[in-house]
Amino acid sequence: QLQLQESGPGLVKPSETLSLTCTVSGGSISSSSYYWGWIRQPPGKGLEWIGSIYYSGSTYYNPSLKSRVTISVDTSKNQFSLKLSSVTAADTAVYYCARRVVVTATSEAFDIWGQGTMVTVSS
Amino acid sequence: SSELTQDPAVSVALGQTVRITCQGDSLRSYYASWYQQKPGQAPVLVIYGKNNRPSGIPDRFSGSSSGNTASLTITGAQAEDEADYYCNSRDSSAVKVFGGGTKLTVL
Repeated sequence: QLQLQESGPGLVKPSETLSLTCTVSGGSISSSSYYWGWIRQPPGKGLEWIGSIYYSGSTYYNPSLKSRVTISVDTSKNQFSLKLSSVTAADTAVYYCARRVVVTATSEAFDIWGQGTMVTVSS
Repeated sequence: SSELTQDPAVSVALGQTVRITCQGDSLRSYYASWYQQKPGQAPVLVIYGKNNRPSGIPDRFSGSSSGNTASLTITGAQAEDEADYYCNSRDSSAVKVFGGGTKLTVL
């Protein structure tokens, strides 16, 4: 079945750029009706949507993070990636990648999630 | 901006029924999806759309919606249902938002 796996550095210095990749296996990232997203969860806190991308490259970002976020897709590698610039300690979190299924015009859901990867921002 | 509001904590006696709610203006136009998260684990989708359960989710989980409120109901709560529950929806600009989460305790 479809699986998602996050990868990237677990430690990033303040003011630098956090870079993560999500590898999709068991299916194609180019499937229609699916978007691919990043969600994060600071320690002990709730979930925060970062942004989503369609295989064509169309992107949607959380307005509160938009100035620092870039999400891209590489269909040849069946991967999508997250870059978050100018990080601070507040960006320390578990970062999840997930598939977003569009069921109808009024119904969507993150139906498959990666296991998550902890990223700590510290010098 | 779109916001979804959940009660921080709810408790239920073993075998009883519990309803977890999620309020927000976007829910008047879009359905919520619900996620269960146990400590140290990734969230799991339990309900989406009008009242749809992914394969493998027990039928004691159900969803409903009225006005600006979406609800997740667990009928006959089990000890393994103790977890954090998050609602999620979108707004007209395709911005996704999560509720703050509800910690469910099964007594």
